[in-house]
Amino acid sequence: GQQLNQSPQSMFIQEGEDVSMNCTSSSIFNTWLWYKQDPGEGPVLLIALYKAGELTSNGRLTAQFGITRKDSFLNISASIPSDVGIYFCAGFQGAQKLVFGQGTRLTINP
Amino acid sequence: SAVISQKPSRDICQRGTSLTIQCQVDSQVTMMFWYRQQPGQSLTLIATANQGSEATYESGFVIDKFPISRPNLTFSTLTVSNMSPEDSSIYLCSVVLGQGYGYTFGSGTRLTVV
Repeated sequence: GQQLNQSPQSMFIQEGEDVSMNCTSSSIFNTWLWYKQDPGEGPVLLIALYKAGELTSNGRLTAQFGITRKDSFLNISASIPSDVGIYFCAGFQGAQKLVFGQGTRLTINP
Repeated sequence: SAVISQKPSRDICQRGTSLTIQCQVDSQVTMMFWYRQQPGQSLTLIATANQGSEATYESGFVIDKFPISRPNLTFSTLTVSNMSPEDSSIYLCSVVLGQGYGYTFGSGTRLTVV
């Protein structure tokens, strides 16, 4: 199946710093989603993107659907301790089949 | 968004045995999805469960190993059969309510096979 290449794999930042992660694919996706997973929990949807070039915000989070439809990025501004977790990009492949990136593990030093 | 209840939340099982995981949704959904998340890895789709028809399995997953039931529009089970330590993973069920909602996930079942 199609793969989503997500980077970086891990990030170690100071509280208050901004964070940026991205996801690329060799194929076109029609929808990009960004999820966050806390330990012992399932992934929770943060942002959904449906149009090429779309830029969407959710509080301190901003995500964009790349114009080529093969990439997306997620930014987190002014990070706080509760932002710690694993962030996954995901894209729809075919009829509602969701493909996930490898994840970005975010660690924040207070 | 939908609320998904998944049981059990965790279990430790002996190799060679089987475990059935239940997934209950608080609204009727056409499709339910089962994912596996191996330790430190991303999520991989096991199968799509439609009510009233056989589940559709992804490459690398077979019905004999992961039988799925979907008796109605709010419930599904996934059985992990003849378990081995390699089956130790988190198993998650998921639903999509429609365009604009993305996928909603249950909190997962953490399975350890010893």
